Amino acid sequence: DVKVTQSSRYLVKRTGEKVFLECVQDMDHENMFWYRQDPGLGLRLIYFSYDVKMKEKGDIPEGYSVSREKKERFSLILESASTNQTSMYLCASTPGRYTEAFFGQGTRLTVV
Amino acid sequence: KNQVEQSPQSLIILEGKNCTLQCNYTVSPFSNLRWYKQDTGRGPVSLTIMTFSENTKSNGRYTATLDADTKQSSLHITASQLSDSASYICVVSANRGGATNKLIFGTGTLLAVQP
Repeated sequence: DVKVTQSSRYLVKRTGEKVFLECVQDMDHENMFWYRQDPGLGLRLIYFSYDVKMKEKGDIPEGYSVSREKKERFSLILESASTNQTSMYLCASTPGRYTEAFFGQGTRLTVV
Repeated sequence: KNQVEQSPQSLIILEGKNCTLQCNYTVSPFSNLRWYKQDTGRGPVSLTIMTFSENTKSNGRYTATLDADTKQSSLHITASQLSDSASYICVVSANRGGATNKLIFGTGTLLAVQP
């Protein structure tokens, strides 16, 4: 079974802190994604990566950056956390363009 | 604008009953359509994936249909169980060229199955 693991289930951070969310997949997938999920808005794409050191902005990249130094790991960075970044963050990976996406269990981030 | 709309927003049914969830989309160029189940506090899990040429696909008690002409899909759940209580998300993949497709998510239908 494909496994996508996010480093934390719940996280509470203070405004202005630098926050790292880590995601690891164990199936050698090329593509990895970071989404945030808010009530009534569905999943919105923040950033994605289709190869090591390659990244592209999604629909809502402002306030975020990403890092993909190794194929299996994709990190989401909140440079200076703000309260409007309180959300559920979901990482996903896919082996190719036409295949299903496998999601991690999610990180519920609260910024106070 | 690429959009995926789901209805109803929420649904309550009795255990053992059937239900149908709807998904309408305006996504171009269309690549495939997926249904995901998301339990509360968990990540989405894939139920079905259908391409343009497929009009029905089953996964146990879940049956998805796709009408590519009218751009509509439905997810039918048969003989519902308490464990079916979850959010069901319709996701349409747009062929954007390049390395990967763009996924457009609906906001989901929240299903509650009551004993």
